[in-house]
Amino acid sequence: AQKVTQAQTEISVVEKEDVTLDCVYETRDTTYYLFWYKQPPSGELVFLIRRNSFDEQNEISGRYSWNFQKSTSSFNFTITASQVVDSAVYFCALSEIRGDTGRRALTFGSGTRLQVQP
Amino acid sequence: DTGVSQNPRHKITKRGQNVTFRCDPISEHNRLYWYRQTLGQGPEFLTYFQNEAQLEKSRLLSDRFSAERPKGSFSTLEIQRTEQGDSAMYLCASSLSRGRETQYFGPGTRLLVL
Repeated sequence: AQKVTQAQTEISVVEKEDVTLDCVYETRDTTYYLFWYKQPPSGELVFLIRRNSFDEQNEISGRYSWNFQKSTSSFNFTITASQVVDSAVYFCALSEIRGDTGRRALTFGSGTRLQVQP
Repeated sequence: DTGVSQNPRHKITKRGQNVTFRCDPISEHNRLYWYRQTLGQGPEFLTYFQNEAQLEKSRLLSDRFSAERPKGSFSTLEIQRTEQGDSAMYLCASSLSRGRETQYFGPGTRLLVL
C-alpha cells in the first residue's frame, strides 16, 4: 500500500529564512505522481506542483523549489526567503494509477505546519 | 474562472440528524472526488466518480454515507444518522481524465456534530 510521511509536524522560521519541508513516500508502482498542496488558514487546498515518476529534474518556481530523488523516495520542498504569507500547512501527496478504475488515488501525508514570523 | 465550489461552508447538527453537502466541480472536469479531513491530519479519500458513475468507495465510507452525481455534474454527499465521529472537513476535488491529472479542491464543508 502507498504511504506518505511528513516527519516535520511544525516548523517555525523568521521571515527571509530558507526552509525545507521533507516528504518521503512508499509505493510499489513504477508509475506515479507526486504533489505538494498548500492549505492556508482559510482551509482550501491549493495545488503547488505535480511531478511524475519519470522526471527527476528539480524544479524552481520563483521562491519555491522541489527536489525529487527516486533513489531515496523523497520529494522535498524548499521555500527561499520565506514570507509571512507562506504560513500554512503543506501537504505532500502521492497518486497512483489504478488499473481497474483508472483512478489516480491521492494519498496525503499528515502535513507540516509552517509558521513564518515577521 | 470558476473553481470547485462547495455548500454549505459550515454545518452544525445534532447527533442522529441527516446532513447533505453539495459540490460543484470545475465545469469541464469529468472526475470528482470526496475526501474527509480531521484536525491535524491530511485528507483521506472517500469516494470517486467518473461522470455519473461512482467507481470506487473507500472503507471509510460506512453505509450511513451515500454520494451521488446525477448527470455527471454536481455531486451530493449525504450522511445519515450523524455521529460525533463524523465531525470533520469534507473536501471535494475535481479533475480532467485526459493527460496529466491534477485534482483541484474546493473550500470544503466543515461539519460539527453535537
